[in-house]
Amino acid sequence: GAVVSQHPSRVICKSGTSVKIECRSLDFQATTMFWYRQFPKKSLMLMATSNEGSKATYEQGVEKDKFLINHASLTLSTLTVTSAHPEDSSFYICSARDPSSPYNEQFFGPGTRLTVL
Amino acid sequence: AQSVTQLGSHVSVSEGALVLLRCNYSSSVPPYLFWYVQYPNQGLQLLLKYTSAATLVKGINGFEAEFKKSETSFHLTKPSAHMSDAAEYFCAVSPMNTGFQKLVFGTGTRLLVSP
Repeated sequence: GAVVSQHPSRVICKSGTSVKIECRSLDFQATTMFWYRQFPKKSLMLMATSNEGSKATYEQGVEKDKFLINHASLTLSTLTVTSAHPEDSSFYICSARDPSSPYNEQFFGPGTRLTVL
Repeated sequence: AQSVTQLGSHVSVSEGALVLLRCNYSSSVPPYLFWYVQYPNQGLQLLLKYTSAATLVKGINGFEAEFKKSETSFHLTKPSAHMSDAAEYFCAVSPMNTGFQKLVFGTGTRLLVSP
């Protein structure tokens, strides 16, 4: 099946620094990737849709200057949390849509745990 | 807006007992429906999906779900729980008004399995 990886799996940073999270589709080309945020004991919230070669589409209430998304190739999307603060601490999960899979199925990465001190 | 309701944030069963996790959606047009499982500190794994074919859908690990349009439900069941089934389960819909492109998740149900 389609495999999606994320790197790093865990990151701890100081307040005010920026953190980059990578999402890769390993065995398929993904024109569309999605970034989700999951708070403890909560559901996944879609942050943005990342389209290869174009600007990401952000969901309402998500600061695009805070969460920079780049989808420079068909297998890589990155999420950069800029000037991170403790309230940005969360579990970030990406998914990628395999265009060859019916019903627009999304395949999920293992997630990145971000802790901002 | 499309919404998904999962009744019960926690469900506890004994090993070998029936598992029933409830999911209801709000939509006049049936969306695509999904059940995902999440183990601690991991991403989501697809258990099964409904895409307007058979209403009874069989998934991995012995799980199945039945789409009932009249009840706008898509409950997840497994005849006999195993200790390894303990995890968080999410119901999700892919609404037609997004071109079936996006996923909207329920709040999740934590399944606890006791010996």
